Amino acid sequence: QKEVEQDPGPLSVPEGAIVSLNCTYSNSAFQYFMWYRQYSRKGPELLMYTYSSGNKEDGRFTAQVDKSSKYISLFIRDSQPSDSATYLCAMRGSSNTGKLIFGQGTTLQVKP
Amino acid sequence: DADVTQTPRNRITKTGKRIMLECSQTKGHDRMYWYRQDPGLGLRLIYYSFDVKDINKGEISDGYSVSRQAQAKFSLSLESAIPNQTALYFCATSDLSGGGDTQYFGPGTRLTVL
Repeated sequence: QKEVEQDPGPLSVPEGAIVSLNCTYSNSAFQYFMWYRQYSRKGPELLMYTYSSGNKEDGRFTAQVDKSSKYISLFIRDSQPSDSATYLCAMRGSSNTGKLIFGQGTTLQVKP
Repeated sequence: DADVTQTPRNRITKTGKRIMLECSQTKGHDRMYWYRQDPGLGLRLIYYSFDVKDINKGEISDGYSVSRQAQAKFSLSLESAIPNQTALYFCATSDLSGGGDTQYFGPGTRLTVL
């Protein structure tokens, strides 16, 4: 079993839809959670960062962490065609080794 | 100019050949990483380096070696390439601020081993 599981999709939604992207994980030691966005033919870039449980909002994006369920989510409101990309969750434990465990990535297409 | 650059961007080679992928950064970060990305498997860490004298194996280091020539340069070598090393390879950098979780990725090298 992988430490981090992410539905690879692809996920296709109409413009303006609310998108929910999710990851589950098995290691209860994970405390730092990230979402990276990767456009086609580009490297990933950090989109959202959260520590422990709770929500964090940044514009149209909301990251949610439920440590009791070992489940994290990224919500995109009013999705735009420019949001079409692959979204990867990543996480690590408390020790700052710089080693992140990534999910497989979910490919999202937002249709105009 | 890009902060993290990778060369070459694309490479096709044959089984058994030695290949070197190069990464340079102008961000001044101490930490550098090599990942490979495969469909359905996500990003997997090959090697990482916290400074010039510190190199560590990642999740999938077999068949790969690295060299940290300077703070700004980190090379990945495939001594004898095999077809299942066909993948997209990314270099990344980070510093200690933010816990090292903000990793800055290069544009990737698409490697095909025939």
